[in-house]
Amino acid sequence: DAGVIQSPRHEVTEMGQEVTLRCKPISGHNSLFWYRQTMMRGLELLIYFNNNVPIDDSGMPEDRFSAKMPNASFSTLKIQPSEPRDSAVYFCASSEGYSYNEQFFGPGTRLTVL
Amino acid sequence: GENVEQHPSTLSVQEGDSAVIKCTYSDSASNYFPWYKQELGKGPQLIIDIRSNVGEKKDQRIAVTLNKTAKHFSLHITETQPEDSAVYFCAATNTNAGKSTFGDGTTLTVKP
Repeated sequence: DAGVIQSPRHEVTEMGQEVTLRCKPISGHNSLFWYRQTMMRGLELLIYFNNNVPIDDSGMPEDRFSAKMPNASFSTLKIQPSEPRDSAVYFCASSEGYSYNEQFFGPGTRLTVL
Repeated sequence: GENVEQHPSTLSVQEGDSAVIKCTYSDSASNYFPWYKQELGKGPQLIIDIRSNVGEKKDQRIAVTLNKTAKHFSLHITETQPEDSAVYFCAATNTNAGKSTFGDGTTLTVKP
């Protein structure tokens, strides 16, 4: 298996633009997690899905952030409009079952908002 | 919600020495405690985990201990090697709530 796949790996955009991050979880995993990592705040859980259904989105910073999982093999995290403070590395992770099993992380997307 | 504190934030040891990283958690309902290693430019990767019905677990040079009463757990790395240099994260998970809370990470440097 190729592991969790994220695209793009790097994204540079200007303030106010829409940004869409993509994730393909490991086949057979039914939980998917989106994290944001910054020096100031560490690794933060933004939202997670189980069987394509959002279970907890309490970590989503504000309405500018939205996430979808239209099917078991694809998820998106969208920021509209983007702001410089959104600059971070965004990780997607997947696991079998709920979070009582190992989470497999993707390589991350490094987002820079100018 | 859950609060996880991790110490120290940085740790430097000589090759061959042991390294210990400690975490405390606040939610007594947490029952799964994974440790992740993150190398530069990569996503975190699980290195060892422990569940609340176990007090200690070992895998070669890595061990984890859990004290449920005191709500703390620790990672022990023996005979450290330069390739152990990375950022290590602990996490506490309430599997009923379904999500993990991560510590702030420890940057471990192993000097050859």
